Amino acid sequence: KNEVEQSPQNLTAQEGEFITINCSYSVGISALHWLQQHPGGGIVSLFMLSSGKKKHGRLIATINIQEKHSSLHITASHPRDSAVYICAVGSNYQLIWGAGTKLIIKP
Amino acid sequence: DVKVTQSSRYLVKRTGEKVFLECVQDMDHENMFWYRQDPGLGLRLIYFSYDVKMKEKGDIPEGYSVSREKKERFSLILESASTNQTSMYLCASSSTPRGGELFFGEGSRLTVL
Repeated sequence: KNEVEQSPQNLTAQEGEFITINCSYSVGISALHWLQQHPGGGIVSLFMLSSGKKKHGRLIATINIQEKHSSLHITASHPRDSAVYICAVGSNYQLIWGAGTKLIIKP
Repeated sequence: DVKVTQSSRYLVKRTGEKVFLECVQDMDHENMFWYRQDPGLGLRLIYFSYDVKMKEKGDIPEGYSVSREKKERFSLILESASTNQTSMYLCASSSTPRGGELFFGEGSRLTVL
């Protein structure tokens, strides 16, 4: 069993839909990262959180430490949100990476 | 604007050649990382460095070495490139090794023929 699991692996939605991507982990962590990678592009950090909730524009990230679970939400999704979203957890001076969720938003 | 710059976006090398991938960051970060990214395997850590002249092996260091002579520069070296090292290589930096925000370069796509 992977230490960081993301779901779904792939997600296709229509423009305007509310999107949720989930990340579950099995290790003790110091922080959880959400990152975004566009096709052929570099990786951009979206959020780093260790508790509660953070919001940036149409993106919201939440974490439940007790349940070892985090969600990334996108409100009013847009085709430019199409990308791979990656969850990574910081534990014992290492980062453990999820496999990523490929999101496609259709106009 | 903070930046991590990788020297080459695309490289094509032949088997057995020595390959240098360079990464420079302008954020005065102590910690720098080299990852490779392959379809279906996600990001895998090759080496990281938490200080000048310091380095630690990651999950897949075999076939690679690194150099960090200056704080801002972290180089990945393939002493003798092989076809199974064809991959996307990503450099990152952070202010702390496990909790700090990560900043990535654009990536270097290496093809070994």
